[in-house]
Order: sequence, then C-alpha cells, then structure tokens
Amino acid sequence: EIVLTQSPGTLSLSPGERVTLSCRASQRVGTSFIAWYQHKPGQAPRLLIFGASTRATGIPDRFSGSGSGTDFTLTISRLEPEDFAVYYCQHYGSTFGQGTKLEIK
Amino acid sequence: QLQLQETGPGLVKPSETLSLTCSVSGASIGRDTYYWGWIRQPPGRGLEWIGNIYYPGSASYNPSLESRVTISADTSKNQFSLKLNSVTAADTAVYYCARRSVLHGYYYMDVWGKGTTVIVSS
Repeated sequence: EIVLTQSPGTLSLSPGERVTLSCRASQRVGTSFIAWYQHKPGQAPRLLIFGASTRATGIPDRFSGSGSGTDFTLTISRLEPEDFAVYYCQHYGSTFGQGTKLEIK
Repeated sequence: QLQLQETGPGLVKPSETLSLTCSVSGASIGRDTYYWGWIRQPPGRGLEWIGNIYYPGSASYNPSLESRVTISADTSKNQFSLKLNSVTAADTAVYYCARRSVLHGYYYMDVWGKGTTVIVSS
C-alpha cells in the first residue's frame, strides 16, 4: 500500500508569494498516478493537476506540478486570495496525502 | 454535463449501518469506462479514500475500512451506493462520491458530488 506524506502541514503566506508544496510517496510511483486537489470549506474538492504535471480543464497557469519517483511538488507561482485552501495529493485515484493547509499570513 | 449527488440519512446510530447513494446524471455508470468512488472527510481531518467500483467489474477498498465497507452499483437507476456497517462516532464525516477517471493511463477524480454530512450518534 502506497502512503503519501505531504509537507508542511500548514503554511502561512501572503498574497503574491510563491509556494511549493511537497508530496512524498512511500515507494516509487508512476507520474500518471499522481493528482493534486484544492479543497475549500463547504465545497467539493477540485482537481488541479493529473499525471503529476498536467493542469485540469480551467485551472490557471499559476498552478504547476512536477516530480517523479517518490517526490512530487505542486507550485503556485503567485498566490491569489482565492488560493488559500487545503491541498491534497492523491495516488492512483485512491489514496490521499494528509493535506497541506495554506493560510493567509 | 456530468453531475453527482449524494443522498442518505444524516444521522445514524452507533453499531448500525450507514447507507448512502450517489445518483449520476450526464453519464451512464453501466456503459462508460469510468470508476466511481466514495471519499470522506471527518471533522477537522483530511480526505480519506473509502473505495471505488467499476461496473461490471470489481470494487476496491481502503484496507483500513475493507472489513466494514461494501460499494455496489445499480445500473437501472444509474446509481452507486456505499454501505458501512458497525459504525462508531469515528465514522462521522462529510461523505463525497466522485468519478474516478482512468483515461489514457492517468488516474484521478475529476467530478465530485457536493457531499453529505453523516453524524453517528445515539
């Protein structure tokens, strides 16, 4: 069973900053199996990235994903106020990481 | 446009069975080559994958829940369902259904229901 570990747990940042979130798998996984989601309170999770680096339909290009093997990252190049949320990585359309919360500093 | 909607009791007693249904519109769960899944979020915690089903194939479950979970599909109603037995307060959560896409070798959940809150309490 693959375990995904996200870090850090919480980040306090200001709008306009650049941020990189980490997702580490317990063993090597294929890039096609990694997805990233944004989740805001009271809403359904939103698919951001699939295949480790492909943006889903309608996702702004300030969101980018990269990585391979066991280490994957989600980068937001310039934080907008609406980007403050919890972000999850997922393996194989199944297991989730524990999430990273972006909060406004 | 594909839409998913979760329905079911909002309150379940401890030791009883939690039963939820996800109604699908805009796609056929019996014809389209997608998987259909359940995910939950307990209060103050992260997303937890419960399981997926592919009709007419098999279901796969989170090992931590596998002994208590059954996911099934009713193609005549275009719905799939979740049953979780012997519930405790730890099963209190927002429950989501979602479509799991496996197109072109990529795996992700691209369409989600809005979620339904289930509280386990006597």
